This record gives sequence, C-alpha cells and structure tokens, in this order.
Amino acid sequence: LAKTTQPISMDSYEGQEVNITCSHNNIATNDYITWYQQFPSQGPRFIIQGYKTKVTNEVASLFIPADRKSSTLSLPRVSLSDTAVYYCLVGDNFNKFYFGSGTKLNVKP
Amino acid sequence: EAQVTQNPRYLITVTGKKLTVTCSQNMNHEYMSWYRQDPGLGLRQIYYSMNVEVTDKGDVPEGYKVSRKEKRNFPLILESPSPNQTSLYFCATGTAYNEQFFGPGTRLTVL
Repeated sequence: LAKTTQPISMDSYEGQEVNITCSHNNIATNDYITWYQQFPSQGPRFIIQGYKTKVTNEVASLFIPADRKSSTLSLPRVSLSDTAVYYCLVGDNFNKFYFGSGTKLNVKP
Repeated sequence: EAQVTQNPRYLITVTGKKLTVTCSQNMNHEYMSWYRQDPGLGLRQIYYSMNVEVTDKGDVPEGYKVSRKEKRNFPLILESPSPNQTSLYFCATGTAYNEQFFGPGTRLTVL
C-alpha cells in the first residue's frame, strides 16, 4: 500500500495561488493519484485525479512529474472558503486507501 | 438525488452495548468502505467491500464487523464497543479509480 507524505499545514492569502505537494515514493505502476478536500465535520470531497503529466478541471490542476514520485495540487486564486484539509491518495482502482493526516490549508483575508 | 446516508448521525452509548451504524447508497456503486477519523490521525480505513458478499480489512479492523448482503447497504457493527472506538465514522461509496463519495458522518461516543 503506497503511503503519502504531505506538509501538515500551509497558510495563504485570498487571491493567491496555492500549491500543495505530496510525496509518494512507492507509487506502483497501476496507481492513480487522487486529491480530496475536507471541511470540518464533513466527509471528504473528491477534487481531482491523474495518472501522469497534468490534469485540470474547474477547481484545480494536478501536476505529476515523469517519475510520478510526487504530485502537486494547484488551487488558483484561493478564497476563504478554500480553508480545509487536503488529502493526497494513491491507489489502483479501489482497494485499501491511505488518507494520512492531510494538509491543513488556512486562507487568510 | 445521488447520496450516501448514515444513521444515526450522533450516538452516545456505553461500553459493551452492541450497536450498528447503517450506511446506504442510491448510486448503484459496487464499492463501499468505512473510515474512522480521529484528531491528528486523519482518516483510517476500517473495512471495504468490492461487491456483495465481498469484504476485506482496511488498516484498523479490530473491534468492528461489516456485512454486505445487498449492493446498497453496508452496515458497520460494533459487537462490544469500547471507549477507544469513540470517533467520527464515515461511510463511502465509489465508482471507478478512487473517486469516492462520502456520507455525512456518524459521531460516536462510547462511555
């Protein structure tokens, strides 16, 4: 089971771009990289997923280098409502999942 | 509306009194899973199920049981709850490739 390492916390200001990096040195060939967002007392919510290179959707971008041993979640122009915990997971099509403790992002006005 | 429901949302009980937390999904997903969340420890997987009658242990299965008799339901059973099972529990369901949909959570306190 591939485990991940993320910074415990990050601070940012409204309007800034935020990049959260996740390390996953033991990622397997078939593993996908998935990011979730969680607000207090709510279940996590899927943000974005990728396998390699770059993926972009309406809320975030995910950058994955060629060796896939890390990934970076990029949140453009964050707002106060982006204050949450962000989790990086790796895995292949549903089995065990390791969420870890995530990165607590604090967006300040 | 596609959703994952959990019941009860809040429960206070005493040590040793058997309890069941229900989880139901209307999304026709094959995959379902249970997690517990404790301060400083993030989300830890308890059990998961790839399909009806197919269940497997996650990282912290001790003290829990599950069953998957039908696709939409995946109850979590605590046969003899103890105070160290006081936690926030989440049920999740999923489709392809790690995209999981989480329920609203059940806050359990065992005295």
